[in-house]
Amino acid sequence: QVQLVESGGGVVQPGRSLRLSCAASGFTFSTYAMYWVRQAPGKGLEWVSAISYDGGNKYYADSVKGRFTISRDNSKNTLYLQMNNLRVEDTAVYYCARDRHPMTMIGPGDVWGQGTTVTVSS
Amino acid sequence: QSALTQPASVSGSPGQSITISCTGTSTDVGGFHYVSWYQQHPGKAPQLMIYEVNYRPSGVSNRFSASKSGNTASLTISGLQAEDEADYYCSSYTSGSTRYVFGTGTKVTVL
Repeated sequence: QVQLVESGGGVVQPGRSLRLSCAASGFTFSTYAMYWVRQAPGKGLEWVSAISYDGGNKYYADSVKGRFTISRDNSKNTLYLQMNNLRVEDTAVYYCARDRHPMTMIGPGDVWGQGTTVTVSS
Repeated sequence: QSALTQPASVSGSPGQSITISCTGTSTDVGGFHYVSWYQQHPGKAPQLMIYEVNYRPSGVSNRFSASKSGNTASLTISGLQAEDEADYYCSSYTSGSTRYVFGTGTKVTVL
């Protein structure tokens, strides 16, 4: 079935790095834009980053621009989020999500992963 | 890019209808037909309830409907049920460099 599974979360000190992965299955990964969305403890959803189906277009929230890098490997059906210079305020559950339609880039759609938790603490 | 504005909480009795508003600007909600609504139960991933302003994905109850007028989008839940108690978020495509924005979220309570 259509599925997204995130991994790579953990506890890390401020200033360190972490790489999240999102493994896709059950659909043609290479035709869908993908997104990272996070949710800090007790807070609302925050869009983090987006990448087009072919990786040619990437977008970032102002809060992570210059520190986070989104990428994808369509041969491995996997989405990544490289997070550098982590801050305490980056502590959150990180979700990956698929666009609603193939070959478009209009926002997180109907397929989401279960989330992976990142805790930044000294 | 500021978050879209939603009421912090909305409540209703079983069987009633409630409406959640989502207010943005002409550069997001008012400028595009790409407004979505998500339901999130505690500890769970968000679930898409509405896309492109007023379309329901298959499997979503027709008790959920949505619309947009100017810079404000709205989600209506009819025949409120206990299982509808959750957090609801709107989101929109934007013309800004960040491209997407979520609403502040609304906690729906079934009395």
